[in-house]
Amino acid sequence: DVKVTQSSRYLVKRTGEKVFLECVQDMDHENMFWYRQDPGLGLRLIYFSYDVKMKEKGDIPEGYSVSREKKERFSLILESASTNQTSMYLCASSPPGSGASYNEQFFGPGTRLTVL
Amino acid sequence: QKEVEQDPGPLSVPEGAIVSLNCTYSNSAFQYFMWYRQYSRKGPELLMYTYSSGNKEDGRFTAQVDKSSKYISLFIRDSQPSDSATYLCAMSAPGAQKLVFGQGTRLTINP
Repeated sequence: DVKVTQSSRYLVKRTGEKVFLECVQDMDHENMFWYRQDPGLGLRLIYFSYDVKMKEKGDIPEGYSVSREKKERFSLILESASTNQTSMYLCASSPPGSGASYNEQFFGPGTRLTVL
Repeated sequence: QKEVEQDPGPLSVPEGAIVSLNCTYSNSAFQYFMWYRQYSRKGPELLMYTYSSGNKEDGRFTAQVDKSSKYISLFIRDSQPSDSATYLCAMSAPGAQKLVFGQGTRLTINP
């Protein structure tokens, strides 16, 4: 079974702190994704990566950065946490898709981050 | 206007009812259509996947895609309390590595 793990289930931080969210997958997937999930807004893509050291901005990258030094690990960084970044953060991974196929995204359990 | 629209509910129905969940979309390039199910305090899991138009059935679940209307549906027959979850539609275009999600519909099946 594919397993995507996230470093924390619950996290409470103060405004202005630097926050690291870690994600690890064990299926040798090329693609990794970071989403945030908010009520009424669904899943919104923050950043994704299709290879080691590669990253692409998603729909809401402002206030976030990412790091992918190893294939299995994708980190989301909040440089200076703010209260509007309180949310559920979900990591996902997938093998590469082609023009004729879709490959399922596998999600981790999520990290509920509260910024006070 | 959002690229994918989904009624967030919440939706509450009695056990055994037929449930209909729907999404509309605006991007005619979408070819891959998915339904994810998310239980409380868990990440989403793929439930159904359909390529292009048509129907797909898996047990009590049926996914329908109407590309002419840019409308997709998920039907749940003989709904069970264990079906209580948030259901998210998702779509992608050929060659795209990323998905576009709807807002999710929170569904409760009452015993």
